[in-house]
Amino acid sequence: DAKTTQPPSMDCAEGRAANLPCNHSTISGNEYVYWYRQIHSQGPQYIIHGLKNNETNEMASLIITEDRKSSTLILPHATLRDTAVYYCIVSGGYTGNQFYFGTGTSLTVIP
Amino acid sequence: GAVVSQHPSRVICKSGTSVKIECRSLDFQATTMFWYRQFPKQSLMLMATSNEGSKATYEQGVEKDKFLINHASLTLSTLTVTSAHPEDSSFYICSATKLGTAKETLHFGNGTRLTVT
Repeated sequence: DAKTTQPPSMDCAEGRAANLPCNHSTISGNEYVYWYRQIHSQGPQYIIHGLKNNETNEMASLIITEDRKSSTLILPHATLRDTAVYYCIVSGGYTGNQFYFGTGTSLTVIP
Repeated sequence: GAVVSQHPSRVICKSGTSVKIECRSLDFQATTMFWYRQFPKQSLMLMATSNEGSKATYEQGVEKDKFLINHASLTLSTLTVTSAHPEDSSFYICSATKLGTAKETLHFGNGTRLTVT
């Protein structure tokens, strides 16, 4: 079962930063936090993942709290193409570890 | 890299027939593949975990005799929906992890839209 809680929907103005929160209070020590997004009728797209340090790549930044019970995905300059459902997932990350999806956050970027 | 391909992307079949969906890892070897199902406006639901050369592990409530999974090679897994009914109409998505890596991400296919008439 999913171990994460996310707000069902958020809006963000185009060009502004989108901050998507995720609660994972039951995360265990060897579990990673993964973020994926799904644009309508497509397979999920990997965004970023991390264990305890903050991470940044070309798509986004991931901020994980020190107690690891929550995290925030930051899209620094949202565009209309970032409109999607964003999923936060907790998993051990080893080959064979299951990824269970929660309900996700539907992000709408507004022109 | 890490491309997962699904075929077909869309399929329509008559009630009572069987449908096979293929999932291929194009540029990497995958010991483990996962099959998900997604109904409209809902999240992805994990159906089963498929390991190369062994029997698949099904999630609770998923009928293994109805959803047959075969993972015959390190680059191919198939899902067969047997005796399909209209309630099996859904979006089926596969994903794969690379062989021999830890802390690995999942790579997803673009899904198969199944409509049973």
